[in-house]
Amino acid sequence: NAGVTQTPKFQVLKTGQSMTLQCAQDMNHEYMSWYRQDPGMGLRLIHYSVGAGITDQGEVPNGYNVSRSTTEDFPLRLLSAAPSQTSVYFCASSYSDLGYEQYFGPGTRLTVT
Amino acid sequence: AQTVTQSQPEMSVQEAETVTLSCTYDTSESDYYLFWYKQPPSRQMILVIRQEAYKQQNATENRFSVNFQKAAKSFSLKISDSQLGDAAMYFCAYRHSGAGSYQLTFGKGTKLSVIP
Repeated sequence: NAGVTQTPKFQVLKTGQSMTLQCAQDMNHEYMSWYRQDPGMGLRLIHYSVGAGITDQGEVPNGYNVSRSTTEDFPLRLLSAAPSQTSVYFCASSYSDLGYEQYFGPGTRLTVT
Repeated sequence: AQTVTQSQPEMSVQEAETVTLSCTYDTSESDYYLFWYKQPPSRQMILVIRQEAYKQQNATENRFSVNFQKAAKSFSLKISDSQLGDAAMYFCAYRHSGAGSYQLTFGKGTKLSVIP
């Protein structure tokens, strides 16, 4: 199993550009989520999904959009990038919501200039 | 809302010695999970240890153990026989138990340095 994969690993955007961060998992996990990590902060939840076709907002959802058309994929879209979205983004998945371990991807470092 | 506090931004330990990282949390729930994650320079988040709040026994994983004090809402991580590979950021995290309770709430992390 590849686990949780994320592409790209690094990305530089100009303010106002849009892009999609890709996330895929091959563990047949129902639950997937996106976090962002800023310097001196822990990870904060952006959006999450409890299954294909079902998504919900986390703590910091503004400026991001998600969809979940398959169990495997959970892309994160930046609609109009802003410097405040410069961060490291992690995708995670888990088997269920009952305290099971969340498996994290390797992260995407995004810089918005 | 739940909050997780790690009061030690940085710590250091001599190789082979023992170090304890502190974590406190605030919740009104009685059933929940607590985690310690390790983030080495590679950036990968690695689960170190997990504790269920309903279990009184402290979790242990090889050289890693926790001191879980439910009444005090404290969840410290003890690393014994510290190794150079233990150098990393360590994050404490909380997750409420129950269907639909999915969000992990993280502390701000403790950077651990291991001195040879």
